[in-house]
Amino acid sequence: KQEVTQIPAALSVPEGENLVLNCSFTDSAIYNLQWFRQDPGKGLTSLLLIQSSQREQTSGRLNASLDKSSGRSTLYIAASQPGDSATYLCAVGGQGAQKLVFGQGTRLTINP
Amino acid sequence: DTAVSQTPKYLVTQMGNDKSIKCEQNLGHDTMYWYKQDSKKFLKIMFSYNNKELIINETVPNRFSPKSPDKAHLNLHINSLELGDSAVYFCASSQVGYRSSYEQYFGPGTRLTVT
Repeated sequence: KQEVTQIPAALSVPEGENLVLNCSFTDSAIYNLQWFRQDPGKGLTSLLLIQSSQREQTSGRLNASLDKSSGRSTLYIAASQPGDSATYLCAVGGQGAQKLVFGQGTRLTINP
Repeated sequence: DTAVSQTPKYLVTQMGNDKSIKCEQNLGHDTMYWYKQDSKKFLKIMFSYNNKELIINETVPNRFSPKSPDKAHLNLHINSLELGDSAVYFCASSQVGYRSSYEQYFGPGTRLTVT
């Protein structure tokens, strides 16, 4: 059974810093990995999708990496801004079934 | 245009009632999902439909019955509501199959409160 863990549960950093969010998963037989952002009381916004054959994906100030063999993914945020404050969720897509297994999220606060 | 929409956004009801949540996607995707986010913010899949056919049912009580009238719609009907059903329910969709990314797009959620 796939389990996804995100550490830390909460992170607070000053504006302008670069930061890394971590995601680990127990079963390396994945189809893809997706990073989402969730603002309070809102839905999920897809940030980046990495297929199992890929090592990383980039979108603007965001870069996500995937190491299947070690069961890890990281989300790198460059030059953080207060608008980046949100909960970041990592979700792993298993082979065969299309369901996503989510981590508990990292609540990120960027202080002006 | 909203890609994945849900109605209602908020639903407050009493124990024992029956209620429905509707979901529509205009992305042309062939697979739709229902997820539940509990009070601890943990998201877990409930159901998945591919081309109107149920393909995932994650040990959800049979009081929950999804219905997919067509590929663009997936509704969730809940009978005999219980306090523990209070949560945020998210609908999502994706395109699966050869050359598809399987990227999932989520709706805004329906906050269900059972009193």
